Amino acid sequence: EVQLVQSGAEVKKPGESLKISCKGSGYTFAIYWIGWVRQMPGKGLEWMGAIYPGDSDTMYSPSFEGQVTISADKSTSTAYLKWSSLQASDSATYYCARPYIDQSMNDAFDIWGQGTMVTVSS
Amino acid sequence: QSVLTQPPSASGTPGQRVTISCSGTSSNIGSNNVNWYQHLPGTAPKLLIYRNNQRPSGVPDRFSGSKSGTSASLAISGLQSEDEADYYCAAWDDSLNGRVFGGGTKLSVL
Repeated sequence: EVQLVQSGAEVKKPGESLKISCKGSGYTFAIYWIGWVRQMPGKGLEWMGAIYPGDSDTMYSPSFEGQVTISADKSTSTAYLKWSSLQASDSATYYCARPYIDQSMNDAFDIWGQGTMVTVSS
Repeated sequence: QSVLTQPPSASGTPGQRVTISCSGTSSNIGSNNVNWYQHLPGTAPKLLIYRNNQRPSGVPDRFSGSKSGTSASLAISGLQSEDEADYYCAAWDDSLNGRVFGGGTKLSVL
């Protein structure tokens, strides 16, 4: 079964760092882009950026460039989303997702992770 | 403010047909495929329509998509209570070089 399994919920304080993960299985992880999508409480979906695990080619939405770092380790089939200094406004649910066509960065996401809820509060 | 514009809410009664619109520009919907997702609270979004009007296997044919110019729409016929969810349109944007989503439409089945 093709799936993406994300790391568990996190509660952090402002200024702390955080790295959440998204592990793929059931397919060749390296040849599919992985995207990250944010959903703030009560709000809609926002595309943050994506990575191609095969060569770590990465792209970011202008809204998130410099705010987060996307990385991947193809040897463990895992993608990551990292913050170096969290803010309360980073509180949200974060989803990783995979397009239905390999090597395509812009096709529809057909496989989604279950989401990781991040709460940032002092 | 989302790049793609959707109505915030829609509603219908069981058995009815409802349509959700999605408006964009020449750099996104006008030149790229539109996808639609269904999102229930606490779950992962589910792909309903890809490439404007294609249904993944397992998606009932009650769901259909269309696109014309810089607008797209999702139609749900034979509305059922389990269709109550948030619906998002999405497309690639050539100017932003990234994916863009609509703000989402909350569908209520009365």
